[in-house]
Amino acid sequence: NAGVTQTPKFRVLKTGQSMTLLCAQDMNHEYMYWYRQDPGMGLRLIHYSVGEGTTAKGEVPDGYNVSRLKKQNFLLGLESAAPSQTSVYFCASSYPPAGREQFFGPGTRLTVL
Amino acid sequence: AQSVTQPDIHITVSEGASLELRCNYSYGATPYLFWYVQSPGQGLQLLLKYFSGDTLVQGIKGFEAEFKRSQSSFNLRKPSVHWSDAAEYFCAVGHGGATNKLIFGTGTLLAVQP
Repeated sequence: NAGVTQTPKFRVLKTGQSMTLLCAQDMNHEYMYWYRQDPGMGLRLIHYSVGEGTTAKGEVPDGYNVSRLKKQNFLLGLESAAPSQTSVYFCASSYPPAGREQFFGPGTRLTVL
Repeated sequence: AQSVTQPDIHITVSEGASLELRCNYSYGATPYLFWYVQSPGQGLQLLLKYFSGDTLVQGIKGFEAEFKRSQSSFNLRKPSVHWSDAAEYFCAVGHGGATNKLIFGTGTLLAVQP
């Protein structure tokens, strides 16, 4: 039981490049989330999904896209990376309904030059 | 709008001393409240959570937190800190509704002196 895994762990991009971060969970959770963590700002929600085939915007969605084609996977895409997207990205998952614990992955550290 | 405030950015305590980390929230209804811990280079791990009922909740690693509605607070405490408790601690409030979204505070970085 791996829990929540994220690929890759580290990545360096040049401005304008694109990439996809993969999140996978083996707990059969309905809900999945992408956060970014920046110094002094805590975790901010980028996008989330309440089920396979559904996605919704969070607090800071600009510059990101997501897809949830399979229940166990949640992809975060950067179409044209910018230095402002340098951050640590965390994926999380949970069962419904509200109030359930979110389980977090180990994070992806992304640097955009 | 919902929000969470952790007024202490950085705290240093001596090993064996007691600890209290502050958390204040703004939320219209009875909130779901969480404390998570993040060790360096790691993801977040749940310490404890409050949904309803007893306002003093016990968590893992000897931590506890008390929900005080009148003060809109959910402070985290530990009677005797261990060196392994050095980490960053995040308070979060649950959005409720059908999405289970969380709003996080900015975190408190705990250093433990020998």
